[in-house]
Parts: sequence; C-alpha cells; structure tokens
Amino acid sequence: SQQGEEDPQALSIQEGENATMNCSYKTSINNLQWYRQNSGRGLVHLILIRSNEREKHSGRLRVTLDTSKKSSSLLITASRAADTASYFCATSTGNQFYFGTGTSLTVIP
Amino acid sequence: DVKVTQSSRYLVKRTGEKVFLECVQDMDHENMFWYRQDPGLGLRLIYFSYDVKMKEKGDIPEGYSVSREKKERFSLILESASTNQTSMYLCASSLKTLGQVNQPQHFGDGTRLSIL
Repeated sequence: SQQGEEDPQALSIQEGENATMNCSYKTSINNLQWYRQNSGRGLVHLILIRSNEREKHSGRLRVTLDTSKKSSSLLITASRAADTASYFCATSTGNQFYFGTGTSLTVIP
Repeated sequence: DVKVTQSSRYLVKRTGEKVFLECVQDMDHENMFWYRQDPGLGLRLIYFSYDVKMKEKGDIPEGYSVSREKKERFSLILESASTNQTSMYLCASSLKTLGQVNQPQHFGDGTRLSIL
C-alpha cells in the first residue's frame, strides 16, 4: 500500500500551545496535501506543498516537507478549541491520492 | 464555494441488497472520487473518474461499481451488500491535475452505511 502514516495517532494539548503532527510516506510524490476532518463531517483541504518546496505557511499553519526522508510535518501555532479535529496527510501519484490514517487532535480550552 | 452533496447521511440496508450512493458536485470538476473510511484504516480509494463515462479502480474496488453518466454526478453501487461493507463512504471532487500538481479535493459530508 502507498498509504501514508501520521504520527502521533492522538494528541491532546492546552489552548494556546502549538501542535505538531508528522506524516511519513513510502514512494516518490508530486505533492503532499494536508486535510482536516471535524467529527462526522467530510475532509477540508488545508494546504498543499509541492515536491520542490521545503516549507509553506498559511495563517497559523506551517508545513514542512523533506523528500529525502519521505516525511512532512504540520505545525498549528497558538491552537484554539476549534482546531479540535482529525488531520490527514495525502500524497499523490498521477490522479490517485493516498491518505494517511490521521492524527486526532484535541485542544482543551 | 464548492459544494459536494451526498444523497444520504445515514443509510441502513440488508445483506444482499443492491445499494446506490449518489454524489453531486456543483463546480464543474473533472475528477470525482469515492472513498470508504474505517477506524484505524484511514481513507481508502474505491474508484475514481476523471471524465464522463470514464472510471478507474482504486485500492479496494471489489464488491463495488460506479457510474458517471453526467459530469456533476458520480454514483457508487454495492452490487450485493455484505456486512463488511458497513462503513462511512465519502465522495470528493477536484479539478483535473495540472502538470504534476494534483488539485485539492472537496469532500461531501459522507454517508454512514450500515448493512444488517
């Protein structure tokens, strides 16, 4: 399977702290995307990083990509209770996407 | 805003029934996808379509078929439902891949299907 894997599986932090999630994948990729899923809802796209980029920012989100280690990280700064959700990385080859198993983030108010 | 609408949020069917899950998107996207999501297994691709009447198998197509007669609609069919097909089913759509860059996928809210 080309499915990625997020680490940790679950993370619990206090509001205001930073949250870091990691993603490892197995094959060469064109780009990597991060998605968020609130309980009982579909996934929402957060950010895309291309294989020739090392770091990308979007608001409170910072994504890094290390293609030599086949890994990516998602940092959420100054977390809020509303950030409580599951976060997934997705890698792609051609038209197919491969989603990881997700990190469940709980932000305690 | 892109809207992907799945016909049912919850569905209960019996073993052996033929089940249809419908998905409609309103943004003229070329690509459409069907996933199932199970605890501990993440999202797994069942089928995807990159154009009308075109389809390609994903990682777990067995026991499923799809239909895309119109650009905005992508249907997932369980030919003869079995209990191991109880799952959350997610539909997604995206613009076609540009060069080497896959476009973000837009998801519906899912159909939680129970097969009794």
